Amino acid sequence: EAQVTQNPRYLITVTGKKLTVTCSQNMNHEYMSWYRQDPGLGLRQIYYSMNVEVTDKGDVPEGYKVSRKEKRNFPLILESPSPNQTSLYFCASSLWRTSGGSYEQYFGPGTRLTVT
Amino acid sequence: AQSVTQPDIHITVSEGASLELRCNYSYGATPYLFWYVQSPGQGLQLLLKYFSGDTLVQGIKGFEAEFKRSQSSFNLRKPSVHWSDAAEYFCAASTTSGTYKYIFGTGTRLKVLA
Repeated sequence: EAQVTQNPRYLITVTGKKLTVTCSQNMNHEYMSWYRQDPGLGLRQIYYSMNVEVTDKGDVPEGYKVSRKEKRNFPLILESPSPNQTSLYFCASSLWRTSGGSYEQYFGPGTRLTVT
Repeated sequence: AQSVTQPDIHITVSEGASLELRCNYSYGATPYLFWYVQSPGQGLQLLLKYFSGDTLVQGIKGFEAEFKRSQSSFNLRKPSVHWSDAAEYFCAASTTSGTYKYIFGTGTRLKVLA
């Protein structure tokens, strides 16, 4: 089954304790992305990747890191989480148009993170 | 700056009534455009997409959207709403040059009255 998986689905942690949220897709998609969803703000892109070892900042990258060492995986790293990073996080992937631009995104189920 | 605007935060319609959700974009060139739906506690599902060509696009669940370049709009419509359509709807855009961000609007929450 074609899918995007995220782990963990729920996470409660304390300020400053490093954490990683994993994301994996089995559709051989080039483009992968992380979003955070907050009430009234919609989904905001944190980082995206157009292929292995190619990443770029979205609109809200502060406090986050990513890496793309394999095509299927795109982990999100919070080196020192703070309470303002409490949010619902989605990973997504899509095909990449050779002349530029990503197609429709396929979303993971979401990770609800609480930082106390 | 590139942006996607959904001017209506909440919309309430009666079951069986028609629906139009507004979306406006601000980009240098025409981006790829999408509508997604998110049911309570769920992830996002694609309703429809526009890349080029016919400006009226059909999607799943009886939804359609019309791209109007002159108005920088991509409004979502449905002729007859069902109670199961109650959800949050997001318009999104993907750039085709420069930075390859994917930008979402802030969403419109649809309530359906029986």
